[in-house]
Amino acid sequence: DTEVTQTPKHLVMGMTNKKSLKCEQHMGHRAMYWYKQKAKKPPELMFVYSYEKLSINESVPSRFSPECPNSSLLNLHLHALQPEDSALYLCASSQDWDGYKYEQYFGPGTRLTVT
Amino acid sequence: TQLLEQSPQFLSIQEGENLTVYCNSSSVFSSLQWYRQEPGEGPVLLVTVVTGGEVKKLKRLTFQFGDARKDSSLHITAAQPGDTGLYLCAGDAGNMLTFGGGTRLMVKP
Repeated sequence: DTEVTQTPKHLVMGMTNKKSLKCEQHMGHRAMYWYKQKAKKPPELMFVYSYEKLSINESVPSRFSPECPNSSLLNLHLHALQPEDSALYLCASSQDWDGYKYEQYFGPGTRLTVT
Repeated sequence: TQLLEQSPQFLSIQEGENLTVYCNSSSVFSSLQWYRQEPGEGPVLLVTVVTGGEVKKLKRLTFQFGDARKDSSLHITAAQPGDTGLYLCAGDAGNMLTFGGGTRLMVKP
């Protein structure tokens, strides 16, 4: 099973709303990632969690707050977003994280629209 | 800055034609991954190449890693409409994963 699941598939939210994106994997992977992808662009790394601890934060604004409740789950809490934050948000996981030596498996993404 | 350049950016071909997509950098990568992404979906890992000069085949897809591990190519033989999508290369330089800009392929029946 190489599946990473993400919910919801689509999300529309206002700039004053608070919402959360969820990601789950049952491959026993110990590293999980959040990426942001704008239209016709490659994915951009936001956060890396390794063994449930935040390892990398790519200077992401504080209106994005990641959380890793356990080794299978990764959340991204959203608050006071801007319209330019509209994008496809991708979750990925890998067996481990040692400088990206391990293959990453992506979820289907959440299409976020901020109005 | 480890920059990965993909070419061409866009490619529209007829079913049955062959094509090659290139992924080039001035940096050395310890490994390089190729993904295919369909609209509204996440990237799907196709292959990982690790050794300089390595060639991997996946049905009609042939992947090659340059001898110096700075570049890679993806060759598709007898393309089919199901091959349509965004092809992304991603290089691992040890401290970060760098994505190329992608090649958008359309195969017309």
